[in-house]
Amino acid sequence: GESVGLHLPTLSVQEGDNSIINCAYSNSASDYFIWYKQESGKGPQFIIDIRSNMDKRQGQRVTVLLNKTVKHLSLQIAATQPGDSAVYFCAENFGNEKLTFGTGTRLTIIP
Amino acid sequence: DTGVSQDPRHKITKRGQNVTFRCDPISEHNRLYWYRQTLGQGPEFLTYFQNEAQLEKSRLLSDRFSAERPKGSFSTLEIQRTEQGDSAMYLCASSLGNYVEETQYFGPGTRLLVL
Repeated sequence: GESVGLHLPTLSVQEGDNSIINCAYSNSASDYFIWYKQESGKGPQFIIDIRSNMDKRQGQRVTVLLNKTVKHLSLQIAATQPGDSAVYFCAENFGNEKLTFGTGTRLTIIP
Repeated sequence: DTGVSQDPRHKITKRGQNVTFRCDPISEHNRLYWYRQTLGQGPEFLTYFQNEAQLEKSRLLSDRFSAERPKGSFSTLEIQRTEQGDSAMYLCASSLGNYVEETQYFGPGTRLLVL
């Protein structure tokens, strides 16, 4: 069936370094992808999104890359800070309807 | 705070009891979504509304679950005859509902524990 998955369940990064979180998707019809950050006990917080007609999109300290050829999505966080520690989910959306989430990657920033 | 709000934030109930959760979306948002999240997993879609119309329901939404959005503003999710397997975080999200702005913004969730 259609699914959104992540390559690594956990990632530890030294404070100040850059981090890269990867995600694979299987539905080639998906046209919209989103990254969410979820801290313990809170709801998912929108970080950045990208449409299927784009390859790259940048925000404040974050960049999302989309490779449609291999159905791969990545989130790059520059100069990580302790507040970046959280679980990160990628999600896909097609037809402007429900989101399909992966299981998430836990990012830990080492001081 | 003009974000999505949910009430209550926590609910503990005994198996067999009914529970009802409320979600207040961002005021100008036409679409409202319910998701369920269990520990260590990503949120799973349950149902969504376009204004007051319920447009899709997941197979996860058994007959014991019902959701309403009577006036196209707030929504309620009721679970009847709760079971221990219903224990989860119930998340609400809202969006403008047009192609230009599809972003779904989530509330803080209601954590349900069924004993």
